[in-house]
Amino acid sequence: DSGVTQTPKHLITATGQRVTLRCSPRSGDLSVYWYQQSLDQGLQFLIQYYNGEERAKGNILERFSAQQFPDLHSELNLSSLELGDSALYFCASSVGGQGHHEQYFGPGTRLTVT
Amino acid sequence: GENVEQHPSTLSVQEGDSAVIKCTYSDSASNYFPWYKQELGKRPQLIIDIRSNVGEKKDQRIAVTLNKTAKHFSLHITETQPEDSAVYFCAASLSGSARQLTFGSGTQLTVLP
Repeated sequence: DSGVTQTPKHLITATGQRVTLRCSPRSGDLSVYWYQQSLDQGLQFLIQYYNGEERAKGNILERFSAQQFPDLHSELNLSSLELGDSALYFCASSVGGQGHHEQYFGPGTRLTVT
Repeated sequence: GENVEQHPSTLSVQEGDSAVIKCTYSDSASNYFPWYKQELGKRPQLIIDIRSNVGEKKDQRIAVTLNKTAKHFSLHITETQPEDSAVYFCAASLSGSARQLTFGSGTQLTVLP
């Protein structure tokens, strides 16, 4: 168990809908990262937050957004869902700050868009 | 941006043999290189990492080597066991405030009993 929690574990929804994925980082970690894992694209970085502020953006679609709250949990919002959005969505956390790189992954949310 | 290539995509070895997985990266500013093991349907688990000021690091049966000049790094697993069967991912990241990981495409390792 990495100490990172994600809910829900599974999500099945229809095209055009909107969902919210939730992540709680390890105790003491200030950085949260979101990654998407699909069969054809592998593991891809979406977005990073550090202590409530957006720090970096990767291959994140405009239909997707995220935020980190004062208690450091993070939510990833996916809207106008398409079949191609079906994937495993992982959250990872790290201490952040100087010299701290290790990222620990949560169990993931499997999203199926039908 | 950073690009990480990983080889081979699949690797089968006999139990007790060694396995080697290789990765190359493109951005010479990358300075942190972790390896993750992912079992089917599970989360990626950090198994070992290396920083650019180190050439080699070992942890029991696992070792990682880094060649900064050639921009490649490798994972070595000795005395493989069936429970080592999984997908292994290499990754690279930069220093600074944005430390997102750029992953390789993964290697499916199968250890045959």
